[in-house]
Amino acid sequence: GQNIDQPTEMTATEGAIVQINCTYQTSGFNGLFWYQQHAGEAPTFLSYNVLDGLEEKGRFSSFLSRSKGYSYLLLKELQMKDSASYLCAVRDGSYQLIWGAGTKLIIKP
Amino acid sequence: IAGITQAPTSQILAAGRRMTLRCTQDMRHNAMYWYRQDLGLGLRLIHYSNTAGTTGKGEVPDGYSVSRANTDDFPLTLASAVPSQTSVYFCASSEGPDTGELFFGEGSRLTVL
Repeated sequence: GQNIDQPTEMTATEGAIVQINCTYQTSGFNGLFWYQQHAGEAPTFLSYNVLDGLEEKGRFSSFLSRSKGYSYLLLKELQMKDSASYLCAVRDGSYQLIWGAGTKLIIKP
Repeated sequence: IAGITQAPTSQILAAGRRMTLRCTQDMRHNAMYWYRQDLGLGLRLIHYSNTAGTTGKGEVPDGYSVSRANTDDFPLTLASAVPSQTSVYFCASSEGPDTGELFFGEGSRLTVL
């Protein structure tokens, strides 16, 4: 079956750096997405990786290794507003999106 | 403001009642989706539509139906609601079924008693 694994919850300190990992096993691969979802709100798009390597966008970076079935989202200079759930999703060989359960990130002052 | 609009935002419903969740987008996206989100689980696809006039079943379609009469609208109907359908429902759209990221509506919180 197809599966995406991410940690359920992580805690980090304001101003620090945190890395949220995502591992996947899917039938084919056509890209990996990261979304941010604040409590009670809709998911919003953060990043997209389809080739191996690092994509940087401001304080957020996303890395992909297709051979390892692995991605991470790196958040730098953490701010209180970064407290949210981070969802990893993979577009499989049939272009269906497979979603992880999300990682709840708690930022402490 | 361009985007996706869902209605209602919240609803309490008696079991056995029929309910339609509305979804409208103004981005002229071809693909639209309905997901449900439950605590501890990832987003689960209920139904999708790759283009106007076509629909398909997702991971958890039982008890739900959809229609796609035009590009903009994609309503989700619960013919006879059951308590296990208590959830937060998100409508989403993308340029195509295999292109672009998904844009989500604000969600509809449904409670079935």
